[in-house]
Amino acid sequence: AQKVTQAQTEISVVEKEDVTLDCVYETRDTTYYLFWYKQPPSGELVFLIRRNSFDEQNEISGRYSWNFQKSTSSFNFTITASQVVDSAVYFCALRGAGDNKFYFGSGTKLNVKP
Amino acid sequence: GAVVSQHPSRVICKSGTSVKIECRSLDFQATTMFWYRQFPKKSLMLMATSNEGSKATYEQGVEKDKFLINHASLTLSTLTVTSAHPEDSSFYICSAYQRLQRTEAFFGQGTRLTVV
Repeated sequence: AQKVTQAQTEISVVEKEDVTLDCVYETRDTTYYLFWYKQPPSGELVFLIRRNSFDEQNEISGRYSWNFQKSTSSFNFTITASQVVDSAVYFCALRGAGDNKFYFGSGTKLNVKP
Repeated sequence: GAVVSQHPSRVICKSGTSVKIECRSLDFQATTMFWYRQFPKKSLMLMATSNEGSKATYEQGVEKDKFLINHASLTLSTLTVTSAHPEDSSFYICSAYQRLQRTEAFFGQGTRLTVV
């Protein structure tokens, strides 16, 4: 079964703090893709990153970084020096190679206070 | 990134009426489109998968006669909520995906449906 768990329901930080959003997944597929999406209050989903199961190299994009560890089935997302504009709900998602379906975690609401 | 346009963004309808939501891929051909429903402060629940030219595949528990999905072309899928009731009020969001060319799904802006 495909499953994504985001244990953190809501996180509040003060601007400029670093924050890590956790994501743990379950899959029986050997090839799969992991994603992070941002959902601001307006509702649309903004694609942040895709990782395939064969690429465990961590990635950094500006203040964002992602740590993919197959050994622990985790794909964590870190925002460095958070800003108020980072306030949103963040979803981690999994897609199998043979299945077009996306499986989303329950989301983590991030509140960044000035 | 690719653009997926969803229309309308908000709709209020009376109980018993039907509402159609459109999802268009503007700059790529979407072989597959997904329809999700999101309850307040909840995750996205996949309702159905539509592949161009074939019948949609519905997830368990989703009433296919209530939520009619049509994917008649590579750029357009529609979700019709038939005989809407207040409990159908929700945020509906589509995503479009091109299997051979892309491995991320691009999402529409979402439609907030309120049934009164």
